Amino acid sequence: QSALTQPASVSGSPGQSITISCTGTSSDVGGYNYVSWYQQHPGKAPKFMIYEVSNRPSGVSNRFSGSKSGNTASLTISGLQAEDEADYYCSTHTSSSTLVVFGGGTKLTVL
Amino acid sequence: EVQLVESGGDLVQPGRSLRLSCAASGFNFDDYAMHWVRQAPGKGLEWVSGISWNSGSIGYADSVKGRFTISRDNAKNSLYLQMNSLRAEDTALYYCAKGLRGVIPYGMDVWGQGTTVTVSS
Repeated sequence: QSALTQPASVSGSPGQSITISCTGTSSDVGGYNYVSWYQQHPGKAPKFMIYEVSNRPSGVSNRFSGSKSGNTASLTISGLQAEDEADYYCSTHTSSSTLVVFGGGTKLTVL
Repeated sequence: EVQLVESGGDLVQPGRSLRLSCAASGFNFDDYAMHWVRQAPGKGLEWVSGISWNSGSIGYADSVKGRFTISRDNAKNSLYLQMNSLRAEDTALYYCAKGLRGVIPYGMDVWGQGTTVTVSS
């Protein structure tokens, strides 16, 4: 069981917007502004998409945005494109001895 | 070009040991935290261990604590994972990842292609 809870799957049509949630506790998501998001296409290594809740690394499309409210972080993808179809994972720091936790991942399907 | 290349993955019997290595290039290795993240076949990402820039802060997932040891050699731009008492559930693709900053809690901005560890008799 993952420490952070994500929906198993989400879907949307090209051009639409979707949001993926990542729910934790006050010991992880709610306690720190260290939430990161990763995109993983089948057979590929994860790609860094968002850091510190809402910051985009250079080269990442501005269609990707992050936010946080309380113990839940969110990744929003606007103007969905076929190439966005992938698995998405959230991650953050935790005050437990583990230090870092991932969500279980969300499969995005572009219809 | 920033690059991470993992090696050392193999097929091993339960209870045996294995050492993974990660060779880093294209950035100042000793300025950044480093991590190991694994992915079992068909499963999600699992953080295994992380180490700060100067090895002063180290963390492990509960699933590997006491069995795995992370280390780094800044002079050789290399990261290591010593894996002892391996179990079938340790079977996974192991990724080496560069931390965004020198300490552990921040994201991982560069990933290698992974090395496969299979634990089976």
